[in-house]
Amino acid sequence: SAVISQKPSRDICQRGTSLTIQCQVDSQVTMMFWYRQQPGQSLTLIATANQGSEATYESGFVIDKFPISRPNLTFSTLTVSNMSPEDSSIYLCSVNFGGSTEAFFGQGTRLTVV
Amino acid sequence: KQEVTQIPAALSVPEGENLVLNCSFTDSAIYNLQWFRQDPGKGLTSLLLIQSSQREQTSGRLNASLDKSSGRSTLYIAASQPGDSATYLCAVPNNAGNMLTFGGGTRLMVKP
Repeated sequence: SAVISQKPSRDICQRGTSLTIQCQVDSQVTMMFWYRQQPGQSLTLIATANQGSEATYESGFVIDKFPISRPNLTFSTLTVSNMSPEDSSIYLCSVNFGGSTEAFFGQGTRLTVV
Repeated sequence: KQEVTQIPAALSVPEGENLVLNCSFTDSAIYNLQWFRQDPGKGLTSLLLIQSSQREQTSGRLNASLDKSSGRSTLYIAASQPGDSATYLCAVPNNAGNMLTFGGGTRLMVKP
């Protein structure tokens, strides 16, 4: 496995603003994903971050609300746009290495919107 | 559509007990099943990965079993310790073998 760093680890934001979360891996990965975990809930996939192209979003998630970038094989960002209190969640990036289906996660970003 | 269920949702045990956490899934055509640990407000730590061809995996005091035909996996924790207190999640990948579907988790409290 490798080191997966997420920044920030937590933040408190005003409604209507946007927050960009970074995920940095210390080695190249094939797949990068962004998940959301709402309070008291399990994890739900937001999107697959595709290197050099638009992310693939799951049902219920749209690019205008959750724009994602992946400029290379080690880095991705997720932006939570025009935030409301309902966006308060833990956001996690996840990666797979090579042809493996084993998933590894960053330490998460705990977002509170007030 | 794959659905993953974990029972019980919460568990409180005294230190030293052996315990079993259960995970069930509706579509048995899985590549693997992964167990994770999550501490409050934190990310996920991978505990064990069982490939579809395997019946069990062991790591220290943890043992995970897989029965694909019945759509079940169990995580056995031996001689539980207060440091084991956390939420335990199981997850299976989709047909492409990448994105995960998670169970709701079992919140474990081990009392000293």
